[in-house]
Amino acid sequence: DGGITQSPKYLFRKEGQNVTLSCEQNLNHDAMYWYRQDPGQGLRLIYYSQIVNDFQKGDIAEGYSVSREKKESFPLTVTSAQKNPTAFYLCASKLAGANEQFFGPGTRLTVL
Amino acid sequence: AQSVTQLGSHVSVSEGALVLLRCNYSSSVPPYLFWYVQYPNQGLQLLLKYTTGATLVKGINGFEAEFKKSETSFHLTKPSAHMSDAAEYFCAVSLSGGYQKVTFGIGTKLQVIP
Repeated sequence: DGGITQSPKYLFRKEGQNVTLSCEQNLNHDAMYWYRQDPGQGLRLIYYSQIVNDFQKGDIAEGYSVSREKKESFPLTVTSAQKNPTAFYLCASKLAGANEQFFGPGTRLTVL
Repeated sequence: AQSVTQLGSHVSVSEGALVLLRCNYSSSVPPYLFWYVQYPNQGLQLLLKYTTGATLVKGINGFEAEFKKSETSFHLTKPSAHMSDAAEYFCAVSLSGGYQKVTFGIGTKLQVIP
């Protein structure tokens, strides 16, 4: 089955710790995205990558980092510099030239 | 630049009644418009999209939306609500061509009352 997987589904972290969220796709999509979702705020773009070894900051990149070493993988690291990291994180991907993005199931991060 | 406004963060309808979720957009160039649905603790699923051509777009699960340029609207409708339609719905806009950054609305939670 082709699709986007995110792991883990739920993640708990202590304040001051870095944590990495996984996103893998086997759709052969070129572009990948990370969004943050908070109640009543819709989706906000953190980072995106259009090709391997290249990525750009989105609207709320502070406190986050990414890498794109392989076409199918786009991990997101939430660093201790992120002031309010508790949120639902969504990964998405898209074919170059296509219009719509496809989403993974999400990771809910809770900082204790 | 583009933006999306969804009117009503919560909408309640009776089972069998018409569903109408409102979306207005602003865009400096012809837009691409999308409606996504999200069930609790899940990702977003594309319901339908408008790019070019026919302004009435049909999607999955009996939903449809009409692009009205003069009103800058892309409202989502379904003639008869089912209990399974209870979810959160997001309207989104992107610009044609290039990278196509997508801007999402804040979402509308649909409650279906039996």
